[in-house]
Amino acid sequence: GENVEQHPSTLSVQEGDSAVIKCTYSDSASNYFPWYKQELGKRPQLIIDIRSNVGEKKDQRIAVTLNKTAKHFSLHITETQPEDSAVYFCAGGGAGTALIFGKGTTLSVSS
Amino acid sequence: DTAVSQTPKYLVTQMGNDKSIKCEQNLGHDTMYWYKQDSKKFLKIMFSYNNKELIINETVPNRFSPKSPDKAHLNLHINSLELGDSAVYFCASSQDPPGLDTQYFGPGTRLTVL
Repeated sequence: GENVEQHPSTLSVQEGDSAVIKCTYSDSASNYFPWYKQELGKRPQLIIDIRSNVGEKKDQRIAVTLNKTAKHFSLHITETQPEDSAVYFCAGGGAGTALIFGKGTTLSVSS
Repeated sequence: DTAVSQTPKYLVTQMGNDKSIKCEQNLGHDTMYWYKQDSKKFLKIMFSYNNKELIINETVPNRFSPKSPDKAHLNLHINSLELGDSAVYFCASSQDPPGLDTQYFGPGTRLTVL
């Protein structure tokens, strides 16, 4: 089955800096890779996703890149703000399979 | 408008008791899920139903029994609760089957077993 590894487990940046979170997956059949943000005490919410027929996707300050050959994908947040502080989860899945989540990255943005 | 709702929000109970958590979605989605998030924040799939049919059943003790009376509802019943069952349980739903589409999460139920 799928296995998703996520690094780093914690990340501290200064406001305005960029943050990068990386994930690798094991199942070459996986073709859907979402990223979820979970604020303290709240539910996980989708912030961006990418499918295997696309190499990069951007939404304002957030971008995701996918390298299918190397089986890794990354989340990039530019111009970080204190409200970006949260736990971020990557996940991978494909048709008929469960969405497998990484173990999460706790991002702290200090002003 | 609440998209995915769960009740109760908090559940505190003694070891050995039986409890249920209810989930409802008004998004018209065909697929629903139960996830367990432990104290280390790890999100793990437990079950998934598509149109009331069980399609994913991960390695979960058989003390946990999901039930889907219709495609808008997915309940979770837990028998003989143990200390290790303490966690936050999230319900989620998606339009497409697992692994293909955005999953929308409920607010979570924090279960504490004493």
